[in-house]
Amino acid sequence: KNEVEQSPQNLTAQEGEFITINCSYSVGISALHWLQQHPGGGIVSLFMLSSGKKKHGRLIATINIQEKHSSLHITASHPRDSAVYICAVSPCMDSNYQLIWGAGTKLIIKP
Amino acid sequence: NAGVTQTPKFRVLKTGQSMTLLCAQDMNHEYMYWYRQDPGMGLRLIHYSVGEGTTAKGEVPDGYNVSRLKKQNFLLGLESAAPSQTSVYFCASSLEGGSGANVLTFGAGSRLTVL
Repeated sequence: KNEVEQSPQNLTAQEGEFITINCSYSVGISALHWLQQHPGGGIVSLFMLSSGKKKHGRLIATINIQEKHSSLHITASHPRDSAVYICAVSPCMDSNYQLIWGAGTKLIIKP
Repeated sequence: NAGVTQTPKFRVLKTGQSMTLLCAQDMNHEYMYWYRQDPGMGLRLIHYSVGEGTTAKGEVPDGYNVSRLKKQNFLLGLESAAPSQTSVYFCASSLEGGSGANVLTFGAGSRLTVL
């Protein structure tokens, strides 16, 4: 079983829809990261959070430490939001500076 | 402010050839990382460095070597390329590491094909 599971694996939605991508993990963590990878490859960090909720524009990330679960929401989705969204966690006990990565969620927003 | 720059962006090698990927960052970050990304898989850490002159093995270090002679540069070498090393390679850096308290900045990626 992977230590970081993302769902869904693929998501296709219409422009304007509210999008939710989920990330569940099985280890104790010090932080959770959400990243975005556009077609063509570049990876951009969206959020790093260890509790509560963060918001940037139309993107909202939440985390529930007790339930070991995080969600990434996109409001008023737009075709330019089409990308792969990646969740990664920093394990509490890891001294090797290694993040544990999810496999990503591929999001397609149709106009 | 360039951030993290990787060169080359594309390269085709024959089995057994050697090459070096260069990663340069201008943010005075202490930590630097090399990842590979393969279809259907998450990013996998090859090697990392926690400061100038230091390197350490990640999850998939075999077949690769690294050097961090200068703080701003992190080199990834393939001494004898194999088809299994066909992948997209990403360099990243962060101000600090360990506790995960710092955000990663990624380069644009280097696509390597080994024939």
